[in-house]
Amino acid sequence: SAVISQKPSRDICQRGTSLTIQCQVDSQVTMMFWYRQQPGQSLTLIATANQGSEATYESGFVIDKFPISRPNLTFSTLTVSNMSPEDSSIYLCSAQGAETQYFGPGTRLLVL
Amino acid sequence: GENVEQHPSTLSVQEGDSAVIKCTYSDSASNYFPWYKQELGKRPQLIIDIRSNVGEKKDQRIAVTLNKTAKHFSLHITETQPEDSAVYFCAASKLTGGYNKLIFGAGTRLAVHP
Repeated sequence: SAVISQKPSRDICQRGTSLTIQCQVDSQVTMMFWYRQQPGQSLTLIATANQGSEATYESGFVIDKFPISRPNLTFSTLTVSNMSPEDSSIYLCSAQGAETQYFGPGTRLLVL
Repeated sequence: GENVEQHPSTLSVQEGDSAVIKCTYSDSASNYFPWYKQELGKRPQLIIDIRSNVGEKKDQRIAVTLNKTAKHFSLHITETQPEDSAVYFCAASKLTGGYNKLIFGAGTRLAVHP
């Protein structure tokens, strides 16, 4: 299974600012994914990041708000832009093996 | 699009009892069904998965069954232990453009009491 790390693990931010979350995988993977998980809730897919192409966003999520980079097969970033308190959540990245997705530890974001 | 319903939302059992969590999916083309366990403050961890060409899979105390006709699948945990206490998520997916887009159920909070 892939080993996935995320930075930062948590942050407290002021509204109107932006935060970039980094996701590193210990092996090359084709697909990486970004999810949001509200406390006590399920996982909601934000977008799929494929190396060398634009990210594919799910309904309700837009590139201007959540720009994603995928510069190589082991790394991706998610930026949460112009944050508001509603963006307070846990953000998780995942990487796909053959079919299985493995998750990073998550970034706990609080927006004041 | 795909929708996954999961029941129950909470489940409380005594140590040693069995626990069963059920999920139904809407897209008959779904062909991969993983289960994740998430302990408080931790990442979701894959515990077992099943593909559509298989009806049942076991791994020690954990088993998953799949009924493609009825479009439902279930997680069975036998001889439960306090360390099984966590939130469990089912998911369904189909191969789309070379990757599996997972759709998650709402989760089941399992409490195992000593």
